[in-house]
Amino acid sequence: DAGVIQSPRHEVTEMGQEVTLRCKPISGHNSLFWYRQTMMRGLELLIYFNNNVPIDDSGMPEDRFSAKMPNASFSTLKIQPSEPRDSAVYFCASSPNRSGANVLTFGAGSRLTVL
Amino acid sequence: AQSVTQLGSHVSVSEGALVLLRCNYSSSVPPYLFWYVQYPNQGLQLLLKYTSAATLVKGINGFEAEFKKSETSFHLTKPSAHMSDAAEYFCAVTQNSGYSTLTFGKGTMLLVSP
Repeated sequence: DAGVIQSPRHEVTEMGQEVTLRCKPISGHNSLFWYRQTMMRGLELLIYFNNNVPIDDSGMPEDRFSAKMPNASFSTLKIQPSEPRDSAVYFCASSPNRSGANVLTFGAGSRLTVL
Repeated sequence: AQSVTQLGSHVSVSEGALVLLRCNYSSSVPPYLFWYVQYPNQGLQLLLKYTSAATLVKGINGFEAEFKKSETSFHLTKPSAHMSDAAEYFCAVTQNSGYSTLTFGKGTMLLVSP
């Protein structure tokens, strides 16, 4: 398996633009997570899906952020409009199911810079 | 509620020296505990996990961690550091009943000097 695949790896955009980050989880994994990593706040869970259904989006910072999972093999995280404080590395991770003992497999991340 | 505290944002060791990265957790129910490692420009990878079996857990690359309930600790150790161990290490906790998502610590950067 190629692992969790994220795109783009790097994105530089201007304030006010729409940003879409993409994730392909490991085939057969039923749970998908979006994390944001910054120096100040560390790793923060934004949202997670189970069987394509959003279960907990309490970590989504505000209405400018939205996430979708239209099928088991694809998810998007959208920021509209983007702001400089959204600059961070965004990670997607997947796991086999909802069990807490499961290991998360992370993608390589998408580094977002908003000017 | 659950949380993780990693003592020391940076730890420096010499090659061949003992590595000790500290992690204390807080959880209202018995926890599952994890250590992940992040190399530059990469995602996190699992080093080891504790899921209520043996309290001394062995992971990849010679790392191990011991679950100590009385101290609410899960410190990561390696007897002899290698240059390739330089990375950022994250401790994480979740609950072993029901379902909860992973809560990560702020991370500890391990620096290894020749």
